[in-house]
Parts: sequence; structure tokens; C-alpha cells
Amino acid sequence: DVKVTQSSRYLVKRTGEKVFLECVQDMDHENMFWYRQDPGLGLRLIYFSYDVKMKEKGDIPEGYSVSREKKERFSLILESASTNQTSMYLCASSSTSGQGQSNTGADTQYFGPGTRLTVL
Amino acid sequence: AQSVTQLGSHVSVSEGALVLLRCNYSSSVPPYLFWYVQYPNQGLQLLLKYTSAATLVKGINGFEAEFKKSETSFHLTKPSAHMSDAAEYFCAVSRMDTGRRALTFGSGTRLQVQP
Repeated sequence: DVKVTQSSRYLVKRTGEKVFLECVQDMDHENMFWYRQDPGLGLRLIYFSYDVKMKEKGDIPEGYSVSREKKERFSLILESASTNQTSMYLCASSSTSGQGQSNTGADTQYFGPGTRLTVL
Repeated sequence: AQSVTQLGSHVSVSEGALVLLRCNYSSSVPPYLFWYVQYPNQGLQLLLKYTSAATLVKGINGFEAEFKKSETSFHLTKPSAHMSDAAEYFCAVSRMDTGRRALTFGSGTRLQVQP
């Protein structure tokens, strides 16, 4: 089974702090993603990475940065946390299209349990 | 750009009744479509997906969805609801601007199952 783990389930930080959210996957997936989930808005893409050291901005990258130094790990960084970044953060990974597990095929994203971040 | 719209942020059904969750998509290219489920305090889990093969897709836990190009719809159904189906459901479409890697999600539908 694919496993995606996130470093914390719950996190409370102060405004202005630098915050690191870590995500690790154990299936050698090329693609990794960070989404933010807010009620009534669904999931919104913050950043994604399709290879080590490669990153692409999603729809809401402002105030965030990412790092992917190893294939299995994708970190989300809040440079200076603000109260409007209080949210649920979800990490996901997937294999490159056409090279996924035979019983799931291309493009399936596997999600971690999420980190609920509160910024005070 | 691809997008999805989920009609109804909350749906309530009785146990044993039909479940119908609606999803309409917008895409200028043949879409890849997904339904995910999220149980309380958990991440998302894939229910089923459509990637241009059979238009009727069967998923886990008795759910299925039918791709209808003429209606630009991908509604999720289950013949008989179970209490354990209570969760939030998300429809999603692959994004061409990311080489189909990332997804655009709908706003979600919370399913409540009454005893």
C-alpha cells in the first residue's frame, strides 16, 4: 500500500513564525503536491513538484515556498506565518502517467492525513 | 482551464436510500475525472476515476459514476446508503496546465445518512 505521511496532525504557531510542514511518501512517486483545504472552497493547489529540486507554483503560492531535496520528501514552508494561513494542509503524491501501479493506473493521487495548522 | 462544480454542499439521505452526488465539469479537452472521499479527520481516498475508457466506472464501497459527455457530468451514485458512507465527497478533474499531474477539486459535498 502507498503511504504518505505528514510530520504533524495538529500545529499551533504564532504570527510571524517560520513554519515547516513535512511530507514523506514511500512509493518512489515522481510527483508530489501541497494543497490547502478550507470549508466551502475544496482543495486548492499551493505548489507541486514533478522531480527532485523541481517545483511549480499552483493557484495560491503567495506566502509559501517548497523544497524537494530528496525524491520521497516534499516540504512546505510558511516564511512568516499569518492568521489567514490557518487551514488544513494536505500532501499528496502520484506516479507519472502510465507508470502507476497496475491496479490504479495513471494520475491517482495518494493523500496524507493532513496537518491542521492554527496561526495565532 | 478545467473546472468542476458540485451541486449541493450538503446532501442527506436515509439509510438504504439511493445516493446521488452531482458533479459537472468544464474542459476543452477530454477530461480525466475523479471522485475522492474524506472521512472525518482523515486525508482523501480515491473512490473511482474515469480516464477515457468505459463511461460507467465502478469504484470501492459500491459506488459508481457515469461519464456523460453530452451533459458534461460525472455524477456519483450508490443504490443503497449505509451509515458508514457519511463523509465528504470531492469531484476532481486533471489539469492540463500541469501535464495532467495536479487536480482541480470541486468544493465538496457532505453526505449525511439518517438511520
